[in-house]
Amino acid sequence: TQLLEQSPQFLSIQEGENLTVYCNSSSVFSSLQWYRQEPGEGPVLLVTVVTGGEVKKLKRLTFQFGDARKDSSLHITAAQPGDTGLYLCAGAPSNNDMRFGAGTRLTVKP
Amino acid sequence: NAGVTQTPKFQVLKTGQSMTLQCAQDMNHEYMSWYRQDPGMGLRLIHYSVGAGITDQGEVPNGYNVSRSTTEDFPLRLLSAAPSQTSVYFCASKTRQGWNTEAFFGQGTRLTVV
Repeated sequence: TQLLEQSPQFLSIQEGENLTVYCNSSSVFSSLQWYRQEPGEGPVLLVTVVTGGEVKKLKRLTFQFGDARKDSSLHITAAQPGDTGLYLCAGAPSNNDMRFGAGTRLTVKP
Repeated sequence: NAGVTQTPKFQVLKTGQSMTLQCAQDMNHEYMSWYRQDPGMGLRLIHYSVGAGITDQGEVPNGYNVSRSTTEDFPLRLLSAAPSQTSVYFCASKTRQGWNTEAFFGQGTRLTVV
């Protein structure tokens, strides 16, 4: 059982559509991070959410941290082919290690 | 900026062989870690280090050894490779341990054990 469960596992949409992906846990986190990974590359940090209920926007991407700090969501507005990639959420159950979810693989078709 | 550099990018090993995956960072980061990435499993932590001379086990440490003799380098050793160790390995570094600092990743090493 993963500490962080991400859904959906796969998502294929047309350019211009909106989408939301989810990261859920039964544990409380001090913060959660979202990373994007492209083929053949390592993950790259998109955002860190720290406060319960926090909403952060990064251009067309909106990140929300749940009030109870157990879950987070990523919403993309008007998706573009450049948004294609593997989206990973990550959290640190202790100060020393960082755990990742299995990811949502997003494909945006032109 | 080189960032985090991993070598080699690809490697094929026979069962029972040993090898070392290299990782170097030029950002003077205290914290370094190794992950493996398998389909449907995400990134799983193998070992980590909070500074030179200090290492500790992560989620899946069996079959792997690490050492941290300098701030810059954090090699991962496979003592006797097994097919179950076929995976993509990522090295990451952070300025310090802590739950809200950014992790910088290398490009990965794709290892196949036959």
